[in-house]
Amino acid sequence: SQTIHQWPATLVQPVGSPLSLECTVEGTSNPNLYWYRQAAGRGLQLLFYSIGIDQISSEVPQNLSASRPQDRQFILSSKKLLLSDSGFYLCAWSWTGANTEAFFGQGTRLTVV
Amino acid sequence: GENVEQHPSTLSVQEGDSAVIKCTYSDSASNYFPWYKQELGKRPQLIIDIRSNVGEKKDQRIAVTLNKTAKHFSLHITETQPEDSAVYFCAASRARDFNKFYFGSGTKLNVKP
Repeated sequence: SQTIHQWPATLVQPVGSPLSLECTVEGTSNPNLYWYRQAAGRGLQLLFYSIGIDQISSEVPQNLSASRPQDRQFILSSKKLLLSDSGFYLCAWSWTGANTEAFFGQGTRLTVV
Repeated sequence: GENVEQHPSTLSVQEGDSAVIKCTYSDSASNYFPWYKQELGKRPQLIIDIRSNVGEKKDQRIAVTLNKTAKHFSLHITETQPEDSAVYFCAASRARDFNKFYFGSGTKLNVKP
C-alpha cells in the first residue's frame, strides 16, 4: 500500500529564516506530487505540482520554491520567511492517470514570528 | 484558471437532519469533482467523488449531484451524526491537467446532538 510522510508536524520560525519541509511517498513510483497551503479558515491553495524529477511548476507567485530531487521526494523551501508564509502546508500525491483523487500528508503547521 | 466557490461557509444542523453544501465552478473543461472531509488539525480525506459523465452518485448517507450545464455540484448528507462535524471541501480538476485540484473555501459543518 502507499503512504505519504510529511515532516515536521509543527514549526515555529522567525521572520527572515530559511525553511525546508520534506515529503516522501512510499509504495508507488512516478507519482504526481503537490504542495498546498491552507490559511486559517480558508480553502486549500495549490502552490506547486510536479510530474517528475526536477519537473516543478508553480501555480502562484510567492516567496517559496519547491524541488523534487528524487522520484518520491518533494521539498518546499524558502530562503527568507515572511509573516504571511504562516499557514498549514499539505503535501499530496496522486496517480499519474486522469481524474484520480489526491492523498494528503498529515500537514505542517508553520508559524512565522 | 479554475475558480471554485463554496457555500455556505458554516452550517449548523440538528442530529438526524440533512445537510447540503453547494459548489460552483467556472471552467467548463473541469470533469472530476471530489469532496474532502477535514477534521480539526488533520489531513483532508476523500469521502466521495463524481465524474462529469455521471449526474449523481450515492454512498450510504452521502450523495453528490452534478449539473454540468449550470456548472454546479452539491454534497448531500442525510441522517447527520455528531461525527459528521468537520470542514468539507469541494474541488474540481480538468482532464490532462496533472490532477491539479482547485478547492472551494470550505464549509464548517456542526451537527448538534
